[in-house]
Amino acid sequence: DAGVIQSPRHEVTEMGQEVTLRCKPISGHDYLFWYRQTMMRGLELLIYFNNNVPIDDSGMPEDRFSAKMPNASFSTLKIQPSEPRDSAVYFCASSFSGTGPNTEAFFGQGTRLTVV
Amino acid sequence: AQKVTQAQTEISVVEKEDVTLDCVYETRDTTYYLFWYKQPPSGELVFLIRRNSFDEQNEISGRYSWNFQKSTSSFNFTITASQVVDSAVYFCALSEAGSGYSTLTFGKGTMLLVSP
Repeated sequence: DAGVIQSPRHEVTEMGQEVTLRCKPISGHDYLFWYRQTMMRGLELLIYFNNNVPIDDSGMPEDRFSAKMPNASFSTLKIQPSEPRDSAVYFCASSFSGTGPNTEAFFGQGTRLTVV
Repeated sequence: AQKVTQAQTEISVVEKEDVTLDCVYETRDTTYYLFWYKQPPSGELVFLIRRNSFDEQNEISGRYSWNFQKSTSSFNFTITASQVVDSAVYFCALSEAGSGYSTLTFGKGTMLLVSP
């Protein structure tokens, strides 16, 4: 299996622009997570999906952030408009049946976003 | 209060030294899962171990060992005879029954630097 695939690996954009991050989870996994990593806040959960349905988006910082999962093999995280404080590494992860009994989350390589 | 506390922000050791990374967690659930992930300089998050709250046996995998103590709510990670390739940020994480084992709460991480 190719693992969780994220694109792009690096993104530099100007403040105010729309940014779309993409994720392809591992085939067969029914959970998909979006995390953000910053020096100040560490790894924080933004949103997660179960069977393509958003379950908890309480970690999404503002209305500028939105996430979709149109099918089991694709998800997007969109920031519109972007701001410099959105600069971070964004990770997508997937798992089978959550993160507990006999299962763990597998992470993509992350997208490093820089908003200038 | 943080649910997962990794008090050591950064540790520096010389190759072949043993090193222990501390993790203290907080939960009201009786059933939960604890994880360790490694983030090497390349940036991806690599799963190392999962442990459930009913299994307090220590685990050893090569040079890695984990000590789980419910009495002190700790799940510490020891690397024996450290190597330069062990240099990375290590994260401890918690998955709780209260969240349906759906998500991971991460500690802030410990950066380990192993010098030759």
